[in-house]
Amino acid sequence: SAVISQKPSRDICQRGTSLTIQCQVDSQVTMMFWYRQQPGQSLTLIATANQGSEATYESGFVIDKFPISRPNLTFSTLTVSNMSPEDSSIYLCSVKEFGQPQHFGDGTRLSIL
Amino acid sequence: DQQVKQNSPSLSVQEGRISILNCDYTNSMFDYFLWYKKYPAEGPTFLISISSIKDKNEDGRFTVFLNKSAKHLSLHIVPSQPGDSAVYFCAASRTTSGTYKYIFGTGTRLKVLA
Repeated sequence: SAVISQKPSRDICQRGTSLTIQCQVDSQVTMMFWYRQQPGQSLTLIATANQGSEATYESGFVIDKFPISRPNLTFSTLTVSNMSPEDSSIYLCSVKEFGQPQHFGDGTRLSIL
Repeated sequence: DQQVKQNSPSLSVQEGRISILNCDYTNSMFDYFLWYKKYPAEGPTFLISISSIKDKNEDGRFTVFLNKSAKHLSLHIVPSQPGDSAVYFCAASRTTSGTYKYIFGTGTRLKVLA
């Protein structure tokens, strides 16, 4: 399966700042997704990253807060904007090819002070 | 509204015994179910899946059972090994939606005691 690299692996940020998380895949993939896992909670889908067009956001998530880019079939970024302590979470990128289950990166552990 | 639920946050089992992890769902439109395992500081790793046209799928030590009438699935691990200690997430999907989105449960932390 595809090898996924997420950067940074962890970060500590000040409230009110923004952080961009990168997801790089070693092969072209059809679908890419971004998830959030808040402490002690489930994995919640933020959005589907669409290549060359705007991401498809889930209920409760908006583009102004979580802008996503996917310029090609191997790369995507998620920005967490104007961060508050409630944004402290693990952010995960996943990829999917037809007939295969979603495959996850190791995540970015984000703490907001 | 939590559509996929794992009501047991933790489970401890002796090495060599069976581990049974349970998952319930509410949306009858789900037709594909998966189990993922997650170690600390790593992303979830796919374990096993089952389509709604089946009631059982087996892969080595791992077996998933699906009871559609009860909207319930379970993961059996036999025999359990200390390396199986991890958090297990069940997930559900509607393949007919064309979105390939997964809805995850809150996870069950399995500890296998040596």
